[in-house]
Amino acid sequence: AQTVTQSQPEMSVQEAETVTLSCTYDTSESDYYLFWYKQPPSRQMILVIRQEAYKQQNATENRFSVNFQKAAKSFSLKISDSQLGDAAMYFCALANFGNEKLTFGTGTRLTIIP
Amino acid sequence: GAVVSQHPSRVICKSGTSVKIECRSLDFQATTMFWYRQFPKQSLMLMATSNEGSKATYEQGVEKDKFLINHASLTLSTLTVTSAHPEDSSFYICSATFPDRAKTEAFFGQGTRLTVV
Repeated sequence: AQTVTQSQPEMSVQEAETVTLSCTYDTSESDYYLFWYKQPPSRQMILVIRQEAYKQQNATENRFSVNFQKAAKSFSLKISDSQLGDAAMYFCALANFGNEKLTFGTGTRLTIIP
Repeated sequence: GAVVSQHPSRVICKSGTSVKIECRSLDFQATTMFWYRQFPKQSLMLMATSNEGSKATYEQGVEKDKFLINHASLTLSTLTVTSAHPEDSSFYICSATFPDRAKTEAFFGQGTRLTVV
């Protein structure tokens, strides 16, 4: 069975500052994908960023970037220049290649302080 | 991106009745859809995988007879909560995957908040 662990139930950051959300995972598969999803108060799940495990280069999407450490099974999300609209629950998730079934972490609630 | 529509967004039903939730992929054909359940302030737990034209695959601990899933077409999957009880009250979310395997991504519906009274 695969697991995803988010050890930070809550985080807060000052607006315009940088924050890093942690995620570790465990899987016996060698080919998989990792995701960060954002769930705002509307409850709509929004994909923030995706990383293919076979790629060594860390994924980036504008202000969002990841630090993917495959050997350590770590996948952290860095949000730069935090904005009020970034406030949400953030879920780390894992899917094996060829099977899009997602295993989610328990989530981190991010608060942005004006 | 692809759009997945879930309906209704909120439903209140009496204990013992059944409720049907629809999940539609609006602009693509989804051979596989997933149903998740989310308790308050908790993560999403996969309930079942829905494949078009075949029986759904349920996760361990999920009652097949209580949560009936039908995936009759490439754009529609339904979840029916049968003989609902207050403990079935929860937030239910569906997702569909884009058939391009080179770009694995799940697109989520807006979710359905079910309240059983």
